[in-house]
Amino acid sequence: AQTVTQSQPEMSVQEAETVTLSCTYDTSESDYYLFWYKQPPSRQMILVIRQEAYKQQNATENRFSVNFQKAAKSFSLKISDSQLGDAAMYFCAYSYTGTASKLTFGTGTRLQVTL
Amino acid sequence: ETGVTQSPTHLIKTRGQQVTLRCSSQSGHNTVSWYQQALGQGPQFIFQYYREEENGRGNFPPRFSGLQFPNYSSELNVNALELDDSALYLCASRDRDRGFNEKLFFGSGTQLSVL
Repeated sequence: AQTVTQSQPEMSVQEAETVTLSCTYDTSESDYYLFWYKQPPSRQMILVIRQEAYKQQNATENRFSVNFQKAAKSFSLKISDSQLGDAAMYFCAYSYTGTASKLTFGTGTRLQVTL
Repeated sequence: ETGVTQSPTHLIKTRGQQVTLRCSSQSGHNTVSWYQQALGQGPQFIFQYYREEENGRGNFPPRFSGLQFPNYSSELNVNALELDDSALYLCASRDRDRGFNEKLFFGSGTQLSVL
């Protein structure tokens, strides 16, 4: 069975600074996807960034980038130039390519952004 | 705005009762999946439906059941409610036939409290 582990229950960053959220996972599959989702108080899951396991290049989306280390099964999210609107719960998630709608989530990291 | 709406937003039930939660997906989204998110946890996959048939199930008992309708709406039914069923229930939909690259769209969830 696949597992996703987020070992940082809470993180804090000052506005305009950079923060990195950690995630490790375990799977026996070779072809899969990894995701970071943001859940604000509105409760709706918002996709932040996605990484295909077969791609060596790390995904980037504007201020968000990942450090994907396949051999170490590590998938961290870096948020640059943090903004107040980035404050939310962040979930790391895994999906086997054959079951695209079935996501396995970690327990989340609550990110606070301070002035 | 994801185009996925869930109703009701909040619900209070008593142990032993039955509940029906509803989800309305975007037109063309032939796959819907349901997740249970307990307080302080990441969402857990309950099951998914593709073209009105169950097509994958997580580790949930048979008293959790679902339906998907041709008009892109769906239901999650839970019988014999237990206190541990108190959680946020999220639905997510996508057009599976357009391939894995198609995003999963989440609703804002139904907060169920079982007393």
